[in-house]
Amino acid sequence: NAGVTQTPKFQVLKTGQSMTLQCAQDMNHNSMYWYRQDPGMGLRLIYYSASEGTTDKGEVPNGYNVSRLNKREFSLRLESAAPSQTSVYFCASNDRDSIGNQPQHFGDGTRLSIL
Amino acid sequence: SQQGEEDPQALSIQEGENATMNCSYKTSINNLQWYRQNSGRGLVHLILIRSNEREKHSGRLRVTLDTSKKSSSLLITASRAADTASYFCATAPSGTYKYIFGTGTRLKVLA
Repeated sequence: NAGVTQTPKFQVLKTGQSMTLQCAQDMNHNSMYWYRQDPGMGLRLIYYSASEGTTDKGEVPNGYNVSRLNKREFSLRLESAAPSQTSVYFCASNDRDSIGNQPQHFGDGTRLSIL
Repeated sequence: SQQGEEDPQALSIQEGENATMNCSYKTSINNLQWYRQNSGRGLVHLILIRSNEREKHSGRLRVTLDTSKKSSSLLITASRAADTASYFCATAPSGTYKYIFGTGTRLKVLA
């Protein structure tokens, strides 16, 4: 099973360029998430989509936009990249039951450098 | 500041020893999850403990949860070199999707 697939795996951008990170999951999960991870730190939530057709801001949404294209795909867009957005970006997905959130499944990340 | 704080930040032990790492959080939760991250890879879910559970086991993993202290611990018994990784706790305030991850514990198991 592929699970959560992120593309590209690596990218170098110049300041001011735009870029869309792609994420697709094949587990029929309702919820999807975008995180960034900076060196030596945990993950910080950028945006999430609780279900198809909905998106909401997380902890660090400034400078990003998202699109939940369909149930499978959730993309993250940097409209005008800044050096502070150099990071590793992770996409995740999960479902929720009557008690709470289920475990998240993660992709292997996109390593983004902005010069 | 992040809800999840973990300690220690780094831990180095010999193969066969036990490793304990701790996590604290700030709000009411439905469950707490532990994840492992190998270098250069995404996170992998290890174990989930619900707010009405106090202890849970999975193979060599033992997790405890104290909701009165808003804290959890992860114990890895009889550690192996392959356990070398970063370990994170994650929680979401009850009724939300807004996961907050701890800063992580970097575990190194020496062969």
